[in-house]
Amino acid sequence: AQRVTQPEKLLSVFKGAPVELKCNYSYSGSPELFWYVQYSRQRLQLLLRHISRESIKGFTADLNKGETSFHLKKPFAQEEDSAMYYCALRAFQGGSEKLVFGKGTKLTVNP
Amino acid sequence: DAGVIQSPRHEVTEMGQEVTLRCKPISGHDYLFWYRQTMMRGLELLIYFNNNVPIDDSGMPEDRFSAKMPNASFSTLKIQPSEPRDSAVYFCASSFLAGEAYFGPGTRLTVL
Repeated sequence: AQRVTQPEKLLSVFKGAPVELKCNYSYSGSPELFWYVQYSRQRLQLLLRHISRESIKGFTADLNKGETSFHLKKPFAQEEDSAMYYCALRAFQGGSEKLVFGKGTKLTVNP
Repeated sequence: DAGVIQSPRHEVTEMGQEVTLRCKPISGHDYLFWYRQTMMRGLELLIYFNNNVPIDDSGMPEDRFSAKMPNASFSTLKIQPSEPRDSAVYFCASSFLAGEAYFGPGTRLTVL
């Protein structure tokens, strides 16, 4: 079964501090993972995907197949990073594909 | 492109009433997903379509929920009869393949 686990429902840090949002997955195939973000009163949007190996808004995430993790990191958090973050797994199913999301982590960056 | 369009944006109804949520995906996208967002359960996949065909509805909570996609540009999610525990934000998303999903603004449903 495909599953995405985000162990922290809430995460609070101070501005300028490092931040790490945890994501673990369970999937028998080769995983494709994403981070989506939802800012206050905005729709969910893609933040980054592991296959791109890019840094968006200072965030990076590395896929660790050994630990089945895809943690999102930023060395210096900013107040505008406060949002809801969702980790997602692209899972193949009988010729089709679906996106399975974790329950999300609400990040609050305090001044 | 206006992106994924959902209507209504807000719906307040009484228990027992029928509720219909609507979604217009981005033109050219071949996948459409319906998600429900609550504080307790986060973002749950209810059902998804590929080329207008329902592929997996195992996330639909009960028979009270049904979804259709009569053509590539329109989908509905219906709850009949509605119950207070159905109160949530319902998102529609579309994608070309299931890689990057584009989400609608959501419908905030309140069942009294």
